[in-house]
Amino acid sequence: EVQLVESGGGLVKPGGSLRLSCAASGFTFSDYSMNWVRQTPGKGLEWLSSISTSSSYIYYADSVKGRFTISRDNARNSLYLQMNSLRAEDTAIYYCARAFGESGLWGQGTLVTVSS
Amino acid sequence: EFVLTQSPGTLSLSPGERATLSCRASQSVTSSYLAWYQQKPGQAPRLLIYGASSRATGVPDRLSGSGSGTDFTLTISRLEPEDFAMYYCQQYGGSLPITFGQGTKVEIK
Repeated sequence: EVQLVESGGGLVKPGGSLRLSCAASGFTFSDYSMNWVRQTPGKGLEWLSSISTSSSYIYYADSVKGRFTISRDNARNSLYLQMNSLRAEDTAIYYCARAFGESGLWGQGTLVTVSS
Repeated sequence: EFVLTQSPGTLSLSPGERATLSCRASQSVTSSYLAWYQQKPGQAPRLLIYGASSRATGVPDRLSGSGSGTDFTLTISRLEPEDFAMYYCQQYGGSLPITFGQGTKVEIK
């Protein structure tokens, strides 16, 4: 089955760190660029970061630049998001998503709550 | 930054009726890199339309996308019970950041 499964969410204090993982299966992971997107009731869907197939090209939204780091391990069919200096406004459901457009596929999401 | 404005915010219709959802971009969308997603409570967004008018795998043909430049439309010709949900448009080509509209809720009247 073609799927993406996120993990690593949870409760973290402001200023803390968290690492999200996304496990891909059912397709050739190394053939696709990957993305992280988050969703909050207030701001809706927000793209955070993209990474190319070989990690040569990486892009971030201004809201997370300098705090979040995207990476991938094609041998492990996995995508990661290292989140540092977390703020209350980072509270959201975080989704990994395969290349947008025709190849579009999203995981079920993992909840990150930033609160003291 | 691209701003996508969806209208209306909420559409109240009955099963069997036609739904027309609008997505307007603040600048022209490169090569029609415009997608539509459906989201139901507790679920991830599901890709419906890419390239403004191409249906994703498994999407019924009562759903169709159209438009170019700055004006795009998602049409559901005859609403089925499973079509009542949130719908988002997204621009994903050419210009960063990738952005989403704020969504249109299609609810049962």
